[in-house]
Amino acid sequence: GAVVSQHPSRVICKSGTSVKIECRSLDFQATTMFWYRQFPKQSLMLMATSNEGSKATYEQGVEKDKFLINHASLTLSTLTVTSAHPEDSSFYICSARFLAGGPLDEQFFGPGTRLTVL
Amino acid sequence: KNQVEQSPQSLIILEGKNCTLQCNYTVSPFSNLRWYKQDTGRGPVSLTIMTFSENTKSNGRYTATLDADTKQSSLHITASQLSDSASYICVVTKARSNDYKLSFGAGTTVTVRA
Repeated sequence: GAVVSQHPSRVICKSGTSVKIECRSLDFQATTMFWYRQFPKQSLMLMATSNEGSKATYEQGVEKDKFLINHASLTLSTLTVTSAHPEDSSFYICSARFLAGGPLDEQFFGPGTRLTVL
Repeated sequence: KNQVEQSPQSLIILEGKNCTLQCNYTVSPFSNLRWYKQDTGRGPVSLTIMTFSENTKSNGRYTATLDADTKQSSLHITASQLSDSASYICVVTKARSNDYKLSFGAGTTVTVRA
């Protein structure tokens, strides 16, 4: 299957700092990428949809000024957690949409980024 | 109410045994259903994907079934191995959806013990 990478895999930062997470589709172009957050023992929660060349679409309850998303190219989307606080500590996962056509469009997930805010 | 319900929430099985996980969904109209395996601290990895016309799909020791009429799916793990310990997530895609959002089940945590 297609490969999606995330960097960094783990980050620890102090409260008030900003953290940038990169999501790359390594062997295909992704016009659409998605950012999820996952708390322990819970399923993935969609935060926002990132479209190349346009503004991201945020889910209800997700602060767009706090979670800045930039989809600069067809293979790269970044999520910046601004002024991070301990409650932002979570597992952040991106996915990239692979256009196979028809009902078999795939979403390939990255390996996730563990963010810990002290 | 979640549109994708999974059961059981968790289960423990002995190595070498079989188990079956259930997924019921209300997403409509339906496009496809996927089962993912998520190891602790990792992103989900696709096991199977089925459209409405498919009843069963296998991937090694994993076999998924789909009944689009009753909106039910199952994932059967045969001859479980310690490496099968993970969370298994059922994900349904809505047809004719411009935003292509996925509906996630809460997952079933499987623990395989020696």
